[in-house]
Amino acid sequence: DAGVIQSPRHEVTEMGQEVTLRCKPISGHNSLFWYRQTMMRGLELLIYFNNNVPIDDSGMPEDRFSAKMPNASFSTLKIQPSEPRDSAVYFCASNRQGDTGELFFGEGSRLTVL
Amino acid sequence: AQTVTQSQPEMSVQEAETVTLSCTYDTSESDYYLFWYKQPPSRQMILVIRQEAYKQQNATENRFSVNFQKAAKSFSLKISDSQLGDAAMYFCAYRRSGGSNYKLTFGKGTLLTVNP
Repeated sequence: DAGVIQSPRHEVTEMGQEVTLRCKPISGHNSLFWYRQTMMRGLELLIYFNNNVPIDDSGMPEDRFSAKMPNASFSTLKIQPSEPRDSAVYFCASNRQGDTGELFFGEGSRLTVL
Repeated sequence: AQTVTQSQPEMSVQEAETVTLSCTYDTSESDYYLFWYKQPPSRQMILVIRQEAYKQQNATENRFSVNFQKAAKSFSLKISDSQLGDAAMYFCAYRRSGGSNYKLTFGKGTLLTVNP
């Protein structure tokens, strides 16, 4: 089975540019999570969806961040405009409600904003 | 809000020896899950072991085992016969149980070095 697929793996951009990160969850999973990992703050939950509906977006830093899940097999996390402090690894994870609770993670997207 | 604390930012162990990583958590729930994830330099997050709070028996997966102390809200990971491939960042995580799906809350991690 294919795991969670994220793209791009690496992104280098300049301050002020728009960044879009993409995620394809595991087929059959109905929950999707976006996490951000930095040295200072560790792993932080940004937002999560159940059945394509955002449930908790309290971790989204500010209005520059937005996330969508238009269907069960695709989600995007957008940063516009990007800032150097957004540099981090962004993970997408999925699982299926009623399963044993663990999350299955993608390989992450490393974002560098110059 | 639930919090997860890993008090050891770094640990080291000699190959073939045993090491224990500490984790404590805070919750008012009675039923929940606890996890240990491993993140090697490749940065892939890999599940090491899972514990359900209602189970009294400590979970074991080959060389990995946990010491789950529910009253103390403690969940330590023991790695026996350490191998070079065990070198990684280890994260403890908590998740509420129940009908709806809930997020995982992670600790800050412990960086484990394995010395040959």
